[in-house]
Amino acid sequence: AQSVTQLGSHVSVSEGALVLLRCNYSSSVPPYLFWYVQYPNQGLQLLLKYTSAATLVKGINGFEAEFKKSETSFHLTKPSAHMSDAAEYFCAVSDEGGSQGNLIFGKGTKLSVKP
Amino acid sequence: DGGITQSPKYLFRKEGQNVTLSCEQNLNHDAMYWYRQDPGQGLRLIYYSQIVNDFQKGDIAEGYSVSREKKESFPLTVTSAQKNPTAFYLCASKRFTTGGGTEAFFGQGTRLTVV
Repeated sequence: AQSVTQLGSHVSVSEGALVLLRCNYSSSVPPYLFWYVQYPNQGLQLLLKYTSAATLVKGINGFEAEFKKSETSFHLTKPSAHMSDAAEYFCAVSDEGGSQGNLIFGKGTKLSVKP
Repeated sequence: DGGITQSPKYLFRKEGQNVTLSCEQNLNHDAMYWYRQDPGQGLRLIYYSQIVNDFQKGDIAEGYSVSREKKESFPLTVTSAQKNPTAFYLCASKRFTTGGGTEAFFGQGTRLTVV
């Protein structure tokens, strides 16, 4: 069975500081991994995805994530936080090569950005 | 513009009533999904459908029902059997490719409150 663990339900950073949101996954098949962002009372928007083409994945709004198979991790980073980055972030895994291709989500990490 | 439309955005229900949440997509996606979101619990899969006239239960299907009579539409009914229906409901769709790793696209959500 697949699962995703996001370490830290809340993360607070100062504007201009490094953003690091942690995600570890468990998968019995080669995983496809995703990061989504959600603003209050909105749907989810895709930030980036890993589909085995490259281990370092660049996404929108200056975010990137690195797939590390040995650590079963897919942490999300951004060098310099902006106030507009305050939102909730979800990591997800999919077994696209499996029978259903459903997305399994982590519980989310709420990012606060202090001025 | 292509996308997913959920309606209504806010919905109030009296205890004992059934209510139906609408989800329509014009992306020509085969698969559609319903998720329930509660604070601190991430997204949990209620039902999904990979093809017209077929759907499968997700992790928390009890008290919910769906239909998929058209490719574009996947309505969710919250029945009176659902003991704690107050939540944020998200609909999503995705396409499948042989390359795998396709992302899901989300609607803006419906916030259901039992009064």
